[in-house]
Amino acid sequence: EVQLVESGGGVVRPGGSLRLSCAASGFIFDDHGMSWVRQSPGRGLEWVSSIAWSGGSPTYADSVKGRVTISRDNGKNSLYLQMDGLRTEDTALYYCVRDDKVCSGGSCQHFDHWGQGTQVIVSS
Amino acid sequence: SYELTQPPAVSVSPGQTATITCSGDKLGDKFVSWYQQKPGQSPVLVIHQDRKRPSGIPERFSGSNSGSTATLTISGTQAMDEADYYCQAWDSRVVFGGGTRLTVL
Repeated sequence: EVQLVESGGGVVRPGGSLRLSCAASGFIFDDHGMSWVRQSPGRGLEWVSSIAWSGGSPTYADSVKGRVTISRDNGKNSLYLQMDGLRTEDTALYYCVRDDKVCSGGSCQHFDHWGQGTQVIVSS
Repeated sequence: SYELTQPPAVSVSPGQTATITCSGDKLGDKFVSWYQQKPGQSPVLVIHQDRKRPSGIPERFSGSNSGSTATLTISGTQAMDEADYYCQAWDSRVVFGGGTRLTVL
């Protein structure tokens, strides 16, 4: 069974930092690209960042570019999101998601498994 | 930046067909996926690459995409289908629609 378990969320002041982690199990981790998607309270889904199976080709939403770094450790079956310079608008539930390897990355990129999410609250 | 537009809400009677649309510039030239999200739960992929159903998704869920509009169709809608539905495409980046709340009443 595919499992994605996020951790590292919490309450942080504006300008602060957090490192989100995602522990993956139940599948061959380095067969898949991975991504982060967030959802603000009562709002829709927003893609944040993606990374290829190799750890290369990271991509970022304009709303977080320059403040966020995605990375992965295939030896530990783990995905990370380093978030710096946090803003109140970054408050959201952050989901770790698996790219469907049918077309990981590129024009048909989509997400076939989602974690339960980790909550990030940015508030003074 | 590329935008996907969905109606905020759609309602349907049990057993009837629900249609949820997703509009975007030349969307028919892109692949569209659909996700279902029930209250308090994580999203679930129900359609990918316009019309493909992942294993475990009931046959009553189908998708199409042409021109500037993609459509998610739920035939014989059941009470358990009441949820938020999001479309998603890729235009140099992943893009989600704003979501549609489906009410079965």
